[in-house]
Amino acid sequence: DIQLTQSPSFLSASIGDRATITCRASQGISSNLAWYQQKPGKAPKLLIYAASTLQSGVPSRFSGSGSGTEFTLTISSLQPEDFATYYCQQLNSYPLFTFGPGTKVEIK
Amino acid sequence: EVHLAESGGDLVPPGGSLRLSCEASGFNFRDSEMIWVRQAPGQGLEWISYISGTGSSTFFADSVKGRFTISRDNVKNSLDLQMTSLRVDDTAVYYCARVFLNLTSRGIDYWGQGSLVTVSS
Repeated sequence: DIQLTQSPSFLSASIGDRATITCRASQGISSNLAWYQQKPGKAPKLLIYAASTLQSGVPSRFSGSGSGTEFTLTISSLQPEDFATYYCQQLNSYPLFTFGPGTKVEIK
Repeated sequence: EVHLAESGGDLVPPGGSLRLSCEASGFNFRDSEMIWVRQAPGQGLEWISYISGTGSSTFFADSVKGRFTISRDNVKNSLDLQMTSLRVDDTAVYYCARVFLNLTSRGIDYWGQGSLVTVSS
């Protein structure tokens, strides 16, 4: 089974800061990775798929990169609405999907 | 407008059964692969089940295999999750969601609002 780890688990940052979250896979998954944002009490929202493709309607301050086993989600300038929990998901072993443990982005 | 609406969540005792339903609208349901994802209180997301567009192919996470079944009705645009032998650690919000396919890339683009299942005596 493919396992995903995320770092950091918690990220404390200020409005306007650049935030970077890393997701690592236990084995190579090519570019079959997606990123989601979840706010309390809400369903997750797809931000990025295929490691670096921005989902329609998602602000351009979000970007993704990586392939193989290491991936990054970057928020170029944190906005108030970006404080949330972020999950990576591997789709390489489709249709068996795995989510990472999540990274909570909090206001400093 | 796309809409996924789960229903059926409830409080059930350990060992009990429950059926969740998800009504879909606003997209081509019959051609869409669908999944269930759950989230225990204060915890992360866990994929638990997948069903192909025709319903002929299904998959389950090891944590629910043999206890849960997934089915769909492409006439009624509905998705079901039948849960049996429920355990306390099945307590979670259950989301139905759609797998989208863009060329060879996939993601989960539509999600319901979630339905709470509580397993407790």
